[in-house]
Amino acid sequence: DVKVTQSSRYLVKRTGEKVFLECVQDMDHENMFWYRQDPGLGLRLIYFSYDVKMKEKGDIPEGYSVSREKKERFSLILESASTNQTSMYLCASSQRGGFYNEQFFGPGTRLTVL
Amino acid sequence: GIQVEQSPPDLILQEGANSTLRCNFSDSVNNLQWFHQNPWGQLINLFYIPSGTKQNGRLSATTVATERYSLLYISSSQTTDSGVYFCAVEDFGNEKLTFGTGTRLTIIP
Repeated sequence: DVKVTQSSRYLVKRTGEKVFLECVQDMDHENMFWYRQDPGLGLRLIYFSYDVKMKEKGDIPEGYSVSREKKERFSLILESASTNQTSMYLCASSQRGGFYNEQFFGPGTRLTVL
Repeated sequence: GIQVEQSPPDLILQEGANSTLRCNFSDSVNNLQWFHQNPWGQLINLFYIPSGTKQNGRLSATTVATERYSLLYISSSQTTDSGVYFCAVEDFGNEKLTFGTGTRLTIIP
């Protein structure tokens, strides 16, 4: 059974703190993604990675960075958290290329920045 | 980039009713997925359907790629079907999904 896990379901941080969100997948997928979800805006892509140590900016990368040191793990970093980064963060993974590249999602992390 | 529109934005139905959710997209796609987001925020994969028709129990989906739309059918709705349904597409040569803003479905007992 495919599995994507995220390090926390709920997280509360203070403005200015450095925040790490971790995602792990056990499907040997090459692609991994970070999205944020806000009411009325759907899901928006922050960053994605198609291989170890590779990353590409998505639609809203400002204020975020990522790290992919191992194939199964993709981390999202908020260098200095701000209140407008309060959101639901969702991680996903998929196979690279090929004909069938369905994305699978983790359970999400609801981050509140005070 | 590719645009994705879902309709209706909200739908309230009595238990047992049938429903049709629509997804329109602005360009040719390599991938189209339907998801159900449950009340806890988990996105559940319903269908991977860039073209054609698929069925899974009370749910079915049809994508008409040439006309750039997809439909999700839910028959004999149950309260557990409540939640937000998202359509997401990937255009050719780009392995990123673009999401619609979703349809919020509420099933009343």
